[in-house]
Amino acid sequence: NAGVTQTPKFQVLKTGQSMTLQCAQDMNHEYMSWYRQDPGMGLRLIHYSVGAGITDQGEVPNGYNVSRSTTEDFPLRLLSAAPSQTSVYFCASSPTSGGTDTQYFGPGTRLTVL
Amino acid sequence: GDSVTQMEGPVTLSEEAFLTINCTYTATGYPSLFWYVQYPGEGLQLLLKATKADDKGSNKGFEATYRKETTSFHLEKGSVQVSDSAVYFCALSNFGNEKLTFGTGTRLTIIP
Repeated sequence: NAGVTQTPKFQVLKTGQSMTLQCAQDMNHEYMSWYRQDPGMGLRLIHYSVGAGITDQGEVPNGYNVSRSTTEDFPLRLLSAAPSQTSVYFCASSPTSGGTDTQYFGPGTRLTVL
Repeated sequence: GDSVTQMEGPVTLSEEAFLTINCTYTATGYPSLFWYVQYPGEGLQLLLKATKADDKGSNKGFEATYRKETTSFHLEKGSVQVSDSAVYFCALSNFGNEKLTFGTGTRLTIIP
């Protein structure tokens, strides 16, 4: 099992550019989510999905889109990058959306927007 | 809403010292509580969890007890090692609430 994989590891964008952060898991997990990690703020939820075809907004969804066409993949799209989106992005998955489940995190994507 | 408050860092200890990282929470209902650890350059991984009051989670010599009366879930280890250097996050999840609420993280450095 590869677990949760994310690509790319690092990315530099210019303001206004768009890009997609990729996330995949091979554990057949129903629940997937995207977080951003900023200094002194812990992790904040951007979007989540409880299964293929179902997505919902988290705490900080503005400027990001998601889709979930398969169980395995959950890409995060930045429509028009802004410097405020400079952050480290983590994808996570868990077997279900139940509150007792362990979340499995990918290694992260470090994004810089100039 | 739900919130988690954890000890400000950074924390620096000598090898074999006793470790406590404080964590308190505010939540309605009966949340599950977690400690996640992030080693340098890696994603977060679960260290331990407790799903009901008075449960004790333990792993790799770390322990934390779910105290509903004090709304706390403090992380402890009796003798830390250099390899324990990492950032530690306390988190809670309310049943039916499809997300984790994280604390801000505590950076721990252990010096030989």
